[in-house]
Amino acid sequence: GQNIDQPTEMTATEGAIVQINCTYQTSGFNGLFWYQQHAGEAPTFLSYNVLDGLEEKGRFSSFLSRSKGYSYLLLKELQMKDSASYLCAVEDQTGANNLFFGTGTRLTVIP
Amino acid sequence: DVKVTQSSRYLVKRTGEKVFLECVQDMDHENMFWYRQDPGLGLRLIYFSYDVKMKEKGDIPEGYSVSREKKERFSLILESASTNQTSMYLCASSPPHSYEQYFGPGTRLTVT
Repeated sequence: GQNIDQPTEMTATEGAIVQINCTYQTSGFNGLFWYQQHAGEAPTFLSYNVLDGLEEKGRFSSFLSRSKGYSYLLLKELQMKDSASYLCAVEDQTGANNLFFGTGTRLTVIP
Repeated sequence: DVKVTQSSRYLVKRTGEKVFLECVQDMDHENMFWYRQDPGLGLRLIYFSYDVKMKEKGDIPEGYSVSREKKERFSLILESASTNQTSMYLCASSPPHSYEQYFGPGTRLTVT
């Protein structure tokens, strides 16, 4: 089975840095995704980690530790438009591109 | 740009009705997926398809069926809608061996 945990809500200040954690326990693991979803909109892809370590993409970075079943998404220089839900998803090995999503973390950026 | 469209943004149906949710993608993707999204539960996979006329059950297929007669179109069918199927339904597609799924805007279905 799959178990993916992430905080339900977080609040951070504009211009600051925020780290959103995700822990997972899965029967098989191929990689870990982060998606961003603004209220009322479709999820959009942010990052994909297969190997341990940090992947940086502009203001967003994602980290993975396969041995610990742990990932985080790091958002720097927060902007008001970063207020959204951030979804952690694990790709298992049972089928190509099958994703199991966590419940999402709703981030609110305040002035 | 990849475009995934869904037939309706909002839909209201009565208990017992047969409901069709349509999804079309314009990028010739082999893989297509149907999810439902509920508060506190996240996205859950209902069905997916890797090719025309091919379908596989996801985590919560009960009460649903799917149809993929053409590569670009993946339909989700609620044979007899029930109130516990009130939800946001999201369709997604991806090319083979790709890690990124592209999502449609979603259909918010209310069953009364």
